[in-house]
Amino acid sequence: TQLLEQSPQFLSIQEGENLTVYCNSSSVFSSLQWYRQEPGEGPVLLVTVVTGGEVKKLKRLTFQFGDARKDSSLHITAAQPGDTGLYLCAGVFSGAGSYQLTFGKGTKLSVIP
Amino acid sequence: DTEVTQTPKHLVMGMTNKKSLKCEQHMGHRAMYWYKQKAKKPPELMFVYSYEKLSINESVPSRFSPECPNSSLLNLHLHALQPEDSALYLCASSQEGYGYTFGSGTRLTVV
Repeated sequence: TQLLEQSPQFLSIQEGENLTVYCNSSSVFSSLQWYRQEPGEGPVLLVTVVTGGEVKKLKRLTFQFGDARKDSSLHITAAQPGDTGLYLCAGVFSGAGSYQLTFGKGTKLSVIP
Repeated sequence: DTEVTQTPKHLVMGMTNKKSLKCEQHMGHRAMYWYKQKAKKPPELMFVYSYEKLSINESVPSRFSPECPNSSLLNLHLHALQPEDSALYLCASSQEGYGYTFGSGTRLTVV
């Protein structure tokens, strides 16, 4: 089993603040994905990072993939109440003739107006 | 069509019932997955189908029985479940290791 450590598990911040969520593993992944999940809904893919050192931006969200492809971070600039939700990192690795997606424990973000 | 459709959205079943969860995608994805998610926990992988063949079973009890009738459909047959099996059951599909798309899930309650 490939393990992903995600931190922090809970984060409560004021509107306008910046934050960073970390995702670390001892394993090398084919790619790493970040999802956002609302209560009672399935996870929605935000971004996939594939190349070591890769940086991707999605409006106020910046995603980085570590050079060794074992870690990633999600940085949100000037958080808004609409950013509230559960953020999940997930690593993709291949094995047994198929691809598996393993999730970190998630970060529950609350942005207070 | 870029969606994964799961039915039903909610299901309440007794411990002696037999029911099925259904999942459908028309994106041409050749891998389909079942995940189980308990409250305040991340999704946990149950089964992986690759090219309509079961490739991974993560030690799931036999009261859960997956079926992949064709490349667009994935079922999960449920029989003699326990209350602790109550959870959100998520279906997902992907093309190789890319394009993961999740359905909205079936909220299952076992009484």
